[in-house]
Amino acid sequence: DADVTQTPRNRITKTGKRIMLECSQTKGHDRMYWYRQDPGLGLQLIYYSFDVKDINKGEISDGYSVSRQAQAKFSLSLESAIPNQTALYFCATSPRQGRTGELFFGEGSRLTVL
Amino acid sequence: KQEVTQIPAALSVPEGENLVLNCSFTDSAIYNLQWFRQDPGKGLTSLLLIQSSQREQTSGRLNASLDKSSGRSTLYIAASQPGDSATYLCAVRTAYSGAGSYQLTFGKGTKLSVIP
Repeated sequence: DADVTQTPRNRITKTGKRIMLECSQTKGHDRMYWYRQDPGLGLQLIYYSFDVKDINKGEISDGYSVSRQAQAKFSLSLESAIPNQTALYFCATSPRQGRTGELFFGEGSRLTVL
Repeated sequence: KQEVTQIPAALSVPEGENLVLNCSFTDSAIYNLQWFRQDPGKGLTSLLLIQSSQREQTSGRLNASLDKSSGRSTLYIAASQPGDSATYLCAVRTAYSGAGSYQLTFGKGTKLSVIP
């Protein structure tokens, strides 16, 4: 089983719909992240969380919200999806100690907004 | 603002060849640099992490070097195999204070094709 699991893996929805992407991890890491990847662009950080009570905006947080339900769970919501939010979304985790800063990624959630 | 560039965007080599992928960054005040591999439609797999105090890291046929002063890192792949075909991304964590220090800046990647 994957250490960082994202659901759903693929989702097609319509403009204006509310969408939630979920991420769970078994690595025991404190830090979790949501990234967006668009063709021809680098990954962009949407939100990150250092623990359940610490959530921070990234580069492109507008139109997104997050919830850290537990140390192992971090969900990303699009309250009213729009077509330019069509992208590949990645959840990632990193440890607080040890090989500081090394990121571990989930398999991705491909979202299409029509 | 940190900018990360990977050149070339795509590279095709015959099987067995040694190759080098390049990553350059504009701000040398980095905390660390990480190389990833991404297969089509898949997530990113961490290959090597180099802290700012290190010059290189090795894992099997992979060797990554870091030259902070010149803003460059290279990923060397020895004896390439078709299974090495993927997109390789580098990401830089810049040593800014505050919230920015926890963000990575990613390059757009080099798509590698190893021809049997």
